[in-house]
Amino acid sequence: EAGVTQSPTHLIKTRGQQATLRCSPISGHTSVYWYQQALGLGLQFLLWYDEGEERNRGNFPPRFSGRQFPNYSSELNVNALELEDSALYLCASSLHRGTDTQYFGPGTRLTVL
Amino acid sequence: GESVGLHLPTLSVQEGDNSIINCAYSNSASDYFIWYKQESGKGPQFIIDIRSNMDKRQGQRVTVLLNKTVKHLSLQIAATQPGDSAVYFCAENIDGATNKLIFGTGTLLAVQP
Repeated sequence: EAGVTQSPTHLIKTRGQQATLRCSPISGHTSVYWYQQALGLGLQFLLWYDEGEERNRGNFPPRFSGRQFPNYSSELNVNALELEDSALYLCASSLHRGTDTQYFGPGTRLTVL
Repeated sequence: GESVGLHLPTLSVQEGDNSIINCAYSNSASDYFIWYKQESGKGPQFIIDIRSNMDKRQGQRVTVLLNKTVKHLSLQIAATQPGDSAVYFCAENIDGATNKLIFGTGTLLAVQP
């Protein structure tokens, strides 16, 4: 069974641009989560989508947004990129809502120049 | 953010020895805990989980211990192998309504041959 997949693997943008990151969950999983892993800061929760709706949001500005499609895949958009947005963005999926195990993808490395 | 990690603790062990990685979690209301392993350049990989109604759970070569009195979690790895070298994170899920994982700072396990 395929795991969580993310694209692209690497993304290089300049300050002020927009970035779009994509995630496909494990087949059958309806919940998708986004986390930011910046150097030296650990993993920080960004967003949770379930059944196409945003269910929870971490302490990030509104320029971080996303959506979940009918096939449960998800997109994370970061507008007006800043240098400090450079990080590994990780997507995870779980079978259902609630305290189900979250399985992570390999991440997208975003570099903002 | 809720995950602070300015310094990554390191545990150095000899191949074949047992490893114990410790984690202090933050919220006494957390009811679900997970250990993840993250190798360089990869996303976190699920190792083992435990719910708050248990104090011990065993997997293959791994054991997780939960002490709710002092809000402490530990991961024991038996007969540590070079392939176990990675950063290990504990994560707590405070409640199923938010389904947000709070990650610890991580511990770097270095296995010496």
